[in-house]
Amino acid sequence: EVQLVQSGAEVKKPGESLKISCKGSGYRFSDYWIGWVRQMPGKGLEWMGIIYPGDSDTRYSPSFQGQVTISADKSIKTAYLHWSSLKASDTATYYCARSKGYNNRYFGYWGQGTLVTVSS
Amino acid sequence: DIQMTQSPSSLSASVGDRVTITCRASQSMSSSLNWYQQKPGKAPNLLIYDASSLQSGVPSRFSGSGSGTNFTLTISSLQPEDFATYYCQESNNTPGTFGQGTKVEIK
Repeated sequence: EVQLVQSGAEVKKPGESLKISCKGSGYRFSDYWIGWVRQMPGKGLEWMGIIYPGDSDTRYSPSFQGQVTISADKSIKTAYLHWSSLKASDTATYYCARSKGYNNRYFGYWGQGTLVTVSS
Repeated sequence: DIQMTQSPSSLSASVGDRVTITCRASQSMSSSLNWYQQKPGKAPNLLIYDASSLQSGVPSRFSGSGSGTNFTLTISSLQPEDFATYYCQESNNTPGTFGQGTKVEIK
């Protein structure tokens, strides 16, 4: 069974750094894209970026390029989303999601979400 | 970027109604148009991929169609568990833009 398990909720202050994680199981981790999706409180879904763990090919939305870093460690089947300096506007739920198949990038499997709260 | 515009933004319907949600792309695109359902406090769930392919386990009352710039999600007979927010998504380009969502509420 394919599973994506995300790290727990975080409460941070503006300017702090943060890395959240997404651990995959039940499939060959290197072979499927993993994406990150933001959902601000009461708002819609925003595509942030995507990584192919097999070769670390990473694509970012222009809206998030330079604001976050997506990475993956295939040895421990885990993808990451990292901020070097958080802002209050980063408060949101962040989902990781896996592509349905080898050669597509729509999301057939989702993590449970990680709530990030940034407040002074 | 391809912009995805859904209509309507919200709708009220009754159990048993036929419901249609439209997604319009800002430019002609491939058939890599997908639909997701999201219920409050839950992760999204893939319903339709590649414009018209039904995801495994999704009831057959859901269907998708369209090409070019215009795509449609249809629920043939709305059930109580279908009250949720629906999103379209383009997945062939970067970014894989989502539409703004359509909230389906109980009339």
